[in-house]
Amino acid sequence: RKEVEQDPGPFNVPEGATVAFNCTYSNSASQSFFWYRQDCRKEPKLLMSVYSSGNEDGRFTAQLNRASQYISLLIRDSKLSDSATYLCVVGPQGGKLIFGQGTELSVKP
Amino acid sequence: GAVVSQHPSRVICKSGTSVKIECRSLDFQATTMFWYRQFPKKSLMLMATSNEGSKATYEQGVEKDKFLINHASLTLSTLTVTSAHPEDSSFYICSARPLSGTYYNEQFFGPGTRLTVL
Repeated sequence: RKEVEQDPGPFNVPEGATVAFNCTYSNSASQSFFWYRQDCRKEPKLLMSVYSSGNEDGRFTAQLNRASQYISLLIRDSKLSDSATYLCVVGPQGGKLIFGQGTELSVKP
Repeated sequence: GAVVSQHPSRVICKSGTSVKIECRSLDFQATTMFWYRQFPKKSLMLMATSNEGSKATYEQGVEKDKFLINHASLTLSTLTVTSAHPEDSSFYICSARPLSGTYYNEQFFGPGTRLTVL
């Protein structure tokens, strides 16, 4: 089983759609959780950290369920500029980050 | 703040040569930097954790004699791909974790180095 597993994608959605990404992780001792965004041939950029209480940043909402070892990202009113690969990232102890394989999102006009 | 640079951004070399990649934290100090490799359509794979003033910690399956890491200061880590071969062609990305401050526990990524070995 992979340490961090994401929806395989790709997701092709029209502008304005709501899209949800799911992610599971295997290490129950994981301490930190993130969603990163990676554009083609660029480095990953932090989209948001994920907290147990859930957190929202504009059109983006992240949820964490520690009991189920499950993380989600919801994007509302998707824009063309949201097209990218979204990476679920989990931090075990020691500062290392473990990346999921990424889910590609393509928002069409 | 929290900017990480990498140099070079792109390198093309012949098989058998060694390539050095630099990772610098420009506006913060980092005792720990990380080196990742990413193949096309694949996720980032952690290669090693670079610790200032001590030996790097390599992930399973990564040859330490092949990928030499030096972390000589709180703002610079280097990765040298020795005797590079075509299968080493990849996108190499570093990240740095601030020593302290608001962004402690986050990692900031460099723009990556695209290595092509002919």
